[in-house]
Amino acid sequence: DAGVIQSPRHEVTEMGQEVTLRCKPISGHDYLFWYRQTMMRGLELLIYFNNNVPIDDSGMPEDRFSAKMPNASFSTLKIQPSEPRDSAVYFCASSMRGGGSTDTQYFGPGTRLTVL
Amino acid sequence: QKEVEQDPGPLSVPEGAIVSLNCTYSNSAFQYFMWYRQYSRKGPELLMYTYSSGNKEDGRFTAQVDKSSKYISLFIRDSQPSDSATYLCAQKSAQGAQKLVFGQGTRLTINP
Repeated sequence: DAGVIQSPRHEVTEMGQEVTLRCKPISGHDYLFWYRQTMMRGLELLIYFNNNVPIDDSGMPEDRFSAKMPNASFSTLKIQPSEPRDSAVYFCASSMRGGGSTDTQYFGPGTRLTVL
Repeated sequence: QKEVEQDPGPLSVPEGAIVSLNCTYSNSAFQYFMWYRQYSRKGPELLMYTYSSGNKEDGRFTAQVDKSSKYISLFIRDSQPSDSATYLCAQKSAQGAQKLVFGQGTRLTINP
C-alpha cells in the first residue's frame, strides 16, 4: 500500500484566498483524521470521520474551516477565506478499528501551507 | 492547562548516551499512552504503545508510565544519530477510542 496520500505537499497563497487540501486514506481504513501542526500549539486534532461521517469536529478553529469525506477514499479540508495565522503543516491520518490493540493512526506526509 | 504537557526542547546529546524524554498528563481517565516519532518534513509514526502503568521495552526503547504522578517517559539506550527526530507523546481514553491528545513534541538531536 502507498500509505496515506496528501496533496499538495506545499501551498503558498495570499490572504483571503480559498485553500483546499486533499487526502486519500489507506485502503480499508474506516477512520480519517485531520490534524494541524504549528511550533506554538503542536499537533492538534481538527476533525475525524468514521465511515465517511464526521464524528468530532470540536477542534475546527472556526467557520472558515470545513471538511468533507464524500467517499471512503477521499477527503478534503477547505479554508475559506484563508488568513496568515492558518499557516501550518496539515496532516491527514487514517486508522482501522480493530486493527490490533493500538488502532494505530498512520499519518500522511503533510501539506505545508503558507498564507501571505 | 493542556491535557498533555511536553518540554519542546531542543535536546542535544552525544551518540551513545541514554536519552530520557518526558510528558505529564492531567486526565486520569486516559489509560492508553503512545510515543510517536517524527522525522523532519515527515508525518509522525507510532514508535511505542503502552497501557496504564509499568514499563514496556522494545529494543533500545523503553516506555514507562507512572500513574501516581501522571508521568510518561521514553528512554533511548545507546542513542544513534538516526534517532534524531521529534518525539511526541500521546494518550487516549480507552482501547476503542480513536481520539488522540498529543504533547507538543520534543526535538532531539544525537551528535556523532
